[in-house]
Amino acid sequence: NAGVTQTPKFQVLKTGQSMTLQCAQDMNHEYMSWYRQDPGMGLRLIHYSVGAGITDQGEVPNGYNVSRSTTEDFPLRLLSAAPSQTSVYFCASRGLAGAGEQFFGPGTRLTVL
Amino acid sequence: AQTVTQSQPEMSVQEAETVTLSCTYDTSESDYYLFWYKQPPSRQMILVIRQEAYKQQNATENRFSVNFQKAAKSFSLKISDSQLGDAAMYFCAYRIGNFGNEKLTFGTGTRLTIIP
Repeated sequence: NAGVTQTPKFQVLKTGQSMTLQCAQDMNHEYMSWYRQDPGMGLRLIHYSVGAGITDQGEVPNGYNVSRSTTEDFPLRLLSAAPSQTSVYFCASRGLAGAGEQFFGPGTRLTVL
Repeated sequence: AQTVTQSQPEMSVQEAETVTLSCTYDTSESDYYLFWYKQPPSRQMILVIRQEAYKQQNATENRFSVNFQKAAKSFSLKISDSQLGDAAMYFCAYRIGNFGNEKLTFGTGTRLTIIP
């Protein structure tokens, strides 16, 4: 199993550009989520999904879109990048039963100039 | 809203000694889970230990153990026999136990330095 994979690992954008951060998992997990990590602020939830076709907003959803067309994939879209979106982005997944841990991807470092 | 507070931005400990990282949380729920995650310089988030709120017994995983005080809403992590590989950011996290409500709330982290 590859676990949770994220691409790209690093990305530099100019203000106003759009891009999609890719996330995939091969563990057949129902739940997937996106977090951003900023210095001194821990990880904050952007969007999450409890299954294909179902998404919901987290703590900091503005400026981001998500969709979940398959169980495996959960892309995060930035429609018009802003410098405030400079951050490290983590995708995570877990099965919905019990106290199962969330498995995290390796992260994407995004810089918006 | 649930909050998780880690009041120690940085901690240091001598190699082979014991260190305790603090975490408090605020919730009105009775069914929830608590976690400690480790983030080394590689940036990978690694689960260290977890605790179910309904369990009175404190969780342990080898050199890692927790002191879970439900009434005080406290969840501290004790690392025994500290090793150089324990150097990392440590995050405390909380999740409600309801099916489908899967939001994981993190604290701001504690940076742990191991002194050789």
